[in-house]
Amino acid sequence: AQKITQTQPGMFVQEKEAVTLDCTYDTSDPSYGLFWYKQPSSGEMIFLIYQGSYDQQNATEGRYSLNFQKARKSANLVISASQLGDSAMYFCAEETGANNLFFGTGTRLTVIP
Amino acid sequence: EAGVTQSPTHLIKTRGQQATLRCSPISGHTSVYWYQQALGLGLQFLLWYDEGEERNRGNFPPRFSGRQFPNYSSELNVNALELEDSALYLCASSPGQLAGDHGANVLTFGAGSRLTVL
Repeated sequence: AQKITQTQPGMFVQEKEAVTLDCTYDTSDPSYGLFWYKQPSSGEMIFLIYQGSYDQQNATEGRYSLNFQKARKSANLVISASQLGDSAMYFCAEETGANNLFFGTGTRLTVIP
Repeated sequence: EAGVTQSPTHLIKTRGQQATLRCSPISGHTSVYWYQQALGLGLQFLLWYDEGEERNRGNFPPRFSGRQFPNYSSELNVNALELEDSALYLCASSPGQLAGDHGANVLTFGAGSRLTVL
């Protein structure tokens, strides 16, 4: 069974600074996808970024980038130039052949003005 | 384009009752997923429907069940409610089974239905 580990229950970052949210995964499937979602206090899950297991380059989407280290089975999310609106829960998720996502327990990010 | 819509937003039930939650996917999406998020916890996968069929099921007892209708909307039923069923239930949709391209299967979530069992 897939196992996604997010070891940071909470993180604080100063506004305009960069922050890295950790995620490790554990799959023996050679083909998989890694996702990051943001969940503000409203509850809705917002897709941020995707990394495929065969992708050679690290994924980037605006201020979000994914530090993909395949050998270490880690897929850390980097948020640059943090904004107050980035305060939320962040979930890492993995998808393998079953076509559904398995989520980590999340990291609560608080951006300090 | 309307997003994933869920109803009701909030639902209060007592132990032993039944709850029905509804989800309408994004137009054109054939896959619907249900997740349970208990307070302070991550998302636990419940059910996946595609083209009207149940494709996968998470580690939940049989009193959690659902179905997908011909218009791809979906219902989640929880029978014999227990206190620990209190949670946010999130529905998500995706374009459907797409072999080999995980990135095409980005899930779009609804705002959730918060179930409280007293």
